[in-house]
Amino acid sequence: DAGVTQTPRHEVAEKGQTIILKCEPVSGHNDLFWYRQTKIQGLELLSYFRSKSLMEDGGAFKDRFKAEMLNSSFSTLKIQPTEPKDSAVYLCASSSIPSGQLYFGEGSKLTVL
Amino acid sequence: AQSVTQPDARVTVSEGASLQLRCKYSYSATPYLFWYVQYPRQGLQLLLKYYSGDPVVQGVNSFEAEFSKSNSSFHLQKASVHWSDSAVYFCALSMISAGNKLTFGIGTRVLVRP
Repeated sequence: DAGVTQTPRHEVAEKGQTIILKCEPVSGHNDLFWYRQTKIQGLELLSYFRSKSLMEDGGAFKDRFKAEMLNSSFSTLKIQPTEPKDSAVYLCASSSIPSGQLYFGEGSKLTVL
Repeated sequence: AQSVTQPDARVTVSEGASLQLRCKYSYSATPYLFWYVQYPRQGLQLLLKYYSGDPVVQGVNSFEAEFSKSNSSFHLQKASVHWSDSAVYFCALSMISAGNKLTFGIGTRVLVRP
């Protein structure tokens, strides 16, 4: 079975640019999560979807971060405009109900100059 | 609000030695508890999980963890580590009311010396 696929693996952006990160969850999973990972803050939840409906978006990330589930097998995370402090690894994860176990992609490493 | 604390940012052990990673949680009820591992340049992988029942749970690669409600803890252990166990280990919890959303600790980086 294919796991969670994230693209691109690496992205370099100039300050002020718009970037879009992509995620394909495990087939058949109902829950999809976007997390941001930094050394200082650890893993922070950006967005949580259940069956394509937005269940939660991290309050601190609302203004420039927008996650969408275009269909049950594809999600995007848009950051607009980017700032240097957005440099981090962005992890996508999916889960089935009610397993509780999250399956993670390898992450997209974003560097904003 | 729920939280997870991993008090040790880094742990260094020699190959063959035992390992214990500490995890404390804060939540008003009994949560679901997890340990994940992250190897370099990879995503997180599940080591083990606790939902209910026997407080000692076995996981992959001979890891085990013990749940203590009285101490609000879920410590991870391994009797004899291998160099390949060098990684970052995350403790996490989820709440029944919040679906499968996980709250993570900051992680503990483990370095196994040959």
